[in-house]
Amino acid sequence: AQSVTQLDSHVSVSEGTPVLLRCNYSSSYSPSLFWYVQHPNKGLQLLLKYTSAATLVKGINGFEAEFKKSETSFHLTKPSAHMSDAAEYFCVVSVAPSGNTPLVFGKGTRLSVIA
Amino acid sequence: SQTIHQWPATLVQPVGSPLSLECTVEGTSNPNLYWYRQAAGRGLQLLFYSVGIGQISSEVPQNLSASRPQDRQFILSSKKLLLSDSGFYLCAWRGRGSDTQYFGPGTRLTVL
Repeated sequence: AQSVTQLDSHVSVSEGTPVLLRCNYSSSYSPSLFWYVQHPNKGLQLLLKYTSAATLVKGINGFEAEFKKSETSFHLTKPSAHMSDAAEYFCVVSVAPSGNTPLVFGKGTRLSVIA
Repeated sequence: SQTIHQWPATLVQPVGSPLSLECTVEGTSNPNLYWYRQAAGRGLQLLFYSVGIGQISSEVPQNLSASRPQDRQFILSSKKLLLSDSGFYLCAWRGRGSDTQYFGPGTRLTVL
């Protein structure tokens, strides 16, 4: 069975400092992994996606994530936080290599950025 | 480019009233379509998905139903709303051969 664990429900950083949002996954297949961001009362926006190409994936807004198979991790990082980064972040795994089955979502990590 | 629309953006309804939320996708054909609910302080729960016109799969038994009358239209309905139906409803689409889902802006439903 596939599952996703976001290790922190809430992360708080100061503006200009690095961001680390942690995610571990479990999958029977070679997974596709995603990070989405959700600002208050908005839909989810795709930040980046890993699909078995380069293990370091660059996304939008300066975010990147590294796929580590040995650690079953897909942590999201950003070198310098901006106030506009304050939002909810979801780590997601695709449960099958193809087909019509849905995604498995983590419970989310709320990122606060302090001025 | 593809876009996804949801309306209304917000809705306040009394208990026992009917519900109809609409989702439409532009710029793609024959997408997979999804309805999710996000309750306050909780993650996303998949409610329904559809692989084609008239084809609906339900993930959880509940007070809601879904329909897909056209290729790029997905409707979420209820005959009688419950307080527990309150939440943020998100529609998403996925292209054939892809496992990436793209989300709409959402509908905030409050049942009083």
